[in-house]
Amino acid sequence: QKEVEQNSGPLSVPEGAIASLNCTYSDRVSQSFFWYRQYSGKSPELIMSIYSNGDKEDGRFTAQLNKASQYVSLLIRDSQPSDSATYLCAVFSWRGNQFYFGTGTSLTVIP
Amino acid sequence: DVKVTQSSRYLVKRTGEKVFLECVQDMDHENMFWYRQDPGLGLRLIYFSYDVKMKEKGDIPEGYSVSREKKERFSLILESASTNQTSMYLCASSLLQNQPQHFGDGTRLSIL
Repeated sequence: QKEVEQNSGPLSVPEGAIASLNCTYSDRVSQSFFWYRQYSGKSPELIMSIYSNGDKEDGRFTAQLNKASQYVSLLIRDSQPSDSATYLCAVFSWRGNQFYFGTGTSLTVIP
Repeated sequence: DVKVTQSSRYLVKRTGEKVFLECVQDMDHENMFWYRQDPGLGLRLIYFSYDVKMKEKGDIPEGYSVSREKKERFSLILESASTNQTSMYLCASSLLQNQPQHFGDGTRLSIL
């Protein structure tokens, strides 16, 4: 079982819609959770960090964490074509003392 | 803002060569990491370092070594390059282990 799992997609949404990206993780003692955006040919860029249960909002982005169900999600409101990218979920666990990255979900926003 | 600088964006080398990839960060971060990224395989950790002169093996250290003589610089060395080491190499740094990693622009390395 992988430490972090994401649906590889591709996920397509129309411009202006809400894009919902999901991530599950296997280690219950995971502590820190991150979402990265990666454009084709570029390096990952941090867009959200979340450390406690619940929602965290930053502009059009909302991260949701549910530790009991071991999932973290990213909502992108009013999706724009510039949001088209691969989104990586990352989890830090003190048990393994290591970051674990998912393989990413490809998002396409259709104008 | 955190700045992680990798010495080359593109690099072409020949099999058997010794290859050096350099990474420098300007935020006094304790932790530095080297990953490679291949289509369908995601990010794979090669080596990491939590302090100067310290290094730890990641998931795929074979064929690689690292050097961290100064806090801001973390070098990846391919001892004898092979074609299966053609990849995108990404350096990252973080202030603390459980805090976000910040990536450099990456080096696309081709071994011919």
